[in-house]
Amino acid sequence: DADVTQTPRNRITKTGKRIMLECSQTKGHDRMYWYRQDPGLGLRLIYYSFDVKDINKGEISDGYSVSRQAQAKFSLSLESAIPNQTALYFCATSDPEGGDEQFFGPGTRLTVL
Amino acid sequence: GENVEQHPSTLSVQEGDSAVIKCTYSDSASNYFPWYKQELGKRPQLIIDIRSNVGEKKDQRIAVTLNKTAKHFSLHITETQPEDSAVYFCAASISSDYKLSFGAGTTVTVRA
Repeated sequence: DADVTQTPRNRITKTGKRIMLECSQTKGHDRMYWYRQDPGLGLRLIYYSFDVKDINKGEISDGYSVSRQAQAKFSLSLESAIPNQTALYFCATSDPEGGDEQFFGPGTRLTVL
Repeated sequence: GENVEQHPSTLSVQEGDSAVIKCTYSDSASNYFPWYKQELGKRPQLIIDIRSNVGEKKDQRIAVTLNKTAKHFSLHITETQPEDSAVYFCAASISSDYKLSFGAGTTVTVRA
């Protein structure tokens, strides 16, 4: 089945380290998104991309960067991780031809010590 | 930008009873309102959505209502079952923007 996958699924890192979270999809969707989930805050949009090389900031982009080098891959980087970036990170995709539904990956649990 | 508020944050219901979750949105241009369900340790998944040209939509035991004038929409779950226990998120967007603004979530617990 076509799916959205994320690697790693869990990561513990230290303050100041650079870390990259990867998202891959086999759905053939053009639109890809990165969210973070924190208890009591819901899902907040970090960055989104509507095509290769297209990058757009979401509501909480500070401290993050992304790369969209291929239709199927969308990477999120934390250049210098800090403890308040500890969260559950989700990648999602959508296809305008199929409506507005977003399909989420399984999530990456990131802990910054 | 769009601001979505969701209430209550937690909801405990007896099995077989109904559950109602309410959301308000701020941007009158929003025209797409999905609801996602996230089971423990799982990814969010769409369960139902409604567009602004419709006032109500139903799918088996779940229904969503929309009041554009008041800028609020609600999720109704009838005859709740243990498998309905999850976190539910409402969201709103302007369809042409393809971006969702989510509420903070409601943790629903169905008591046996």
